[in-house]
Amino acid sequence: AQSVTQLGSHVSVSEGALVLLRCNYSSSVPPYLFWYVQYPNQGLQLLLKYTSAATLVKGINGFEAEFKKSETSFHLTKPSAHMSDAAEYFCAVMITGGFKTIFGAGTRLFVKA
Amino acid sequence: SQTIHQWPATLVQPVGSPLSLECTVEGTSNPNLYWYRQAAGRGLQLLFYSVGIGQISSEVPQNLSASRPQDRQFILSSKKLLLSDSGFYLCAWTSALAGAETQYFGPGTRLLVL
Repeated sequence: AQSVTQLGSHVSVSEGALVLLRCNYSSSVPPYLFWYVQYPNQGLQLLLKYTSAATLVKGINGFEAEFKKSETSFHLTKPSAHMSDAAEYFCAVMITGGFKTIFGAGTRLFVKA
Repeated sequence: SQTIHQWPATLVQPVGSPLSLECTVEGTSNPNLYWYRQAAGRGLQLLFYSVGIGQISSEVPQNLSASRPQDRQFILSSKKLLLSDSGFYLCAWTSALAGAETQYFGPGTRLLVL
């Protein structure tokens, strides 16, 4: 069975600082991996996804994530945080050819001025 | 382009009352459809998914049910709401095409059961 663990329910960074949101997954078969972002009172939107191509994936708004099979990790990073990055971020896993996506519990990112 | 609609946007209902939330998708055919619930401070819980008209898979045995009367319409229902049904309900779709893995979410319905 697939599962996703996001380390830290809340992360606070200063504007301009590095953003690092951690995600570890469990899957018995090669997975697809995703990061979604949710702004208050809105649905989720895709930031980036890994689908077995390049292990370093670049997404929207300057975010990127690296798939590390040996560490079963898919951490999300951004070199310099903006105030507009404040939101909740969800890591997710889907088995290839499957119908279901399993979401992590989410990490709320706070950006301090 | 594809669009997903949910209504109502907000709903306040008394305990024991019925519920009907609607989700429709435009601009695509035969999508896979999903209902999620997001409780305050918690992640997304998959409630139901559907790969075709009349085909519903339930992930959580509760007092909720789902139906798909048309290809691009997905309805979430309850006969009697509980306090624990409060939350943010999200509908999502994916393409049925092979390799189309991204979920596209609607704007959500916030339900408060009093």
